[in-house]
Amino acid sequence: QKEVEQNSGPLSVPEGAIASLNCTYSDRGSQSFFWYRQYSGKSPELIMSIYSNGDKEDGRFTAQLNKASQYVSLLIRDSQPSDSATYLCAVRGSQGNLIFGKGTKLSVKP
Amino acid sequence: EAGVVQSPRYKIIEKKQPVAFWCNPISGHNTLYWYLQNLGQGPELLIRYENEEAVDDSQLPKDRFSAERLKGVDSTLKIQPAELGDSAVYLCASSLQGGYGYTFGSGTRLTVV
Repeated sequence: QKEVEQNSGPLSVPEGAIASLNCTYSDRGSQSFFWYRQYSGKSPELIMSIYSNGDKEDGRFTAQLNKASQYVSLLIRDSQPSDSATYLCAVRGSQGNLIFGKGTKLSVKP
Repeated sequence: EAGVVQSPRYKIIEKKQPVAFWCNPISGHNTLYWYLQNLGQGPELLIRYENEEAVDDSQLPKDRFSAERLKGVDSTLKIQPAELGDSAVYLCASSLQGGYGYTFGSGTRLTVV
């Protein structure tokens, strides 16, 4: 089992809809979780971090964490075509390094 | 504040040739990472430095890859000799020591022909 699992997609949503991106992780001791956005041909950009169970909101983005279920999600409200990108889930491993999932490709259709 | 700077952006070499990538982290960031990203995959750690010390190089293929971080600032990643399977994007990132999220550079896209 890979340490961080994501559905590779593509996930297609219409403009203005809510996009829901999911991630599961295998290390129950993990404490820090991140979402990165990567546009095609560009490097990953940190958009959200979450450390406690529950929701964390930042503008149109909401990260959700459930440590009991080892599950992290990212909701994007009022999705825009500019949100079309690959979203990478990352978990801080026991060595202190970030372990990334394969990413979910999101396409927002006008 | 300048971000993480990498060069070159693109490199095309023939197999068996050597290649080197350079990274200048954000000023004051003690921790520097080299990641490799294959097409359609997430980044995978090659090596992590805390100041000058390589604290995690367990995923670095040491038969052909080497890295250094002189004076705890700039870093160089080298491949010698390159193989076709080394074609990928090589990403450098930096963070404050113990920092929770880190900043990536623009990456070097390597093509081995």
